[in-house]
Amino acid sequence: GAVVSQHPSWVICKSGTSVKIECRSLDFQATTMFWYRQFPKQSLMLMATSNEGSKATYEQGVEKDKFLINHASLTLSTLTVTSAHPEDSSFYICSARDYEKLFFGSGTQLSVL
Amino acid sequence: KNEVEQSPQNLTAQEGEFITINCSYSVGISALHWLQQHPGGGIVSLFMLSSGKKKHGRLIATINIQEKHSSLHITASHPRDSAVYICAVRSPRGGADGLTFGKGTHLIIQP
Repeated sequence: GAVVSQHPSWVICKSGTSVKIECRSLDFQATTMFWYRQFPKQSLMLMATSNEGSKATYEQGVEKDKFLINHASLTLSTLTVTSAHPEDSSFYICSARDYEKLFFGSGTQLSVL
Repeated sequence: KNEVEQSPQNLTAQEGEFITINCSYSVGISALHWLQQHPGGGIVSLFMLSSGKKKHGRLIATINIQEKHSSLHITASHPRDSAVYICAVRSPRGGADGLTFGKGTHLIIQP
C-alpha cells in the first residue's frame, strides 16, 4: 500500500537554529500534502497545506516565515522551522491523500534547547 | 463544544476483552476516519466510513449517520492494540484538509 516516509524521527537542536523535516510519498504522487502539529494529549492541529509547484497555504495563526514549506516535486514536501525556539518544541507530522485514503508520516519529535 | 467528541478519553482493559470506543460529531459529514497512533507517534488509517459497518481482522467500525455517531470495536484485545485511537470527520467545516479531529482515546491493554 501507499506509504508516506518522514525524516527525521526526532531532532534536538539549539535555540536559533533551523530544522528541516522531509515528507515523501513513496509509491504515489501527492500534489497536496498536509503538515500538522500535535501537543501531548491534544488533537492534531493543521498548520499548512503544501501544494506542489505553488505556495503553501497556512492556517490562521501559523507564521509562514517561521514555518517554511517547499513542495518542489510530486513526492516531496519539506517543512523548515526557522530560528527555532523552545516553544516550537512539538511533534510534527505530515500526511497525504491517495484518492480517499489518508496516509501519515511517522512524525518528527522536535526538541529545542 | 468540540465538533468531534470521543469517549472514553482513557481506557485500560485486560487482554482478551471486547473494546468499544465511541465518537460523536455535530456537523454534517461526508466520511469518518478511524486512525491509530502508536506510542512512537506514527499514525495509521484504520477505516474510512460513510455508512454502515466495516470489518478488518479484529477491528470493526460502525457509523450511524442519523445519530451522528460512530463506534470502533476491538475483539479479543491484545497488548499490541495499545495505542491512541483518533476519530476524524470529513466535512465542509473542516480545515483545508477537510478534517476535524477528536482528541483521541488512549487505550492500554494489559497482559
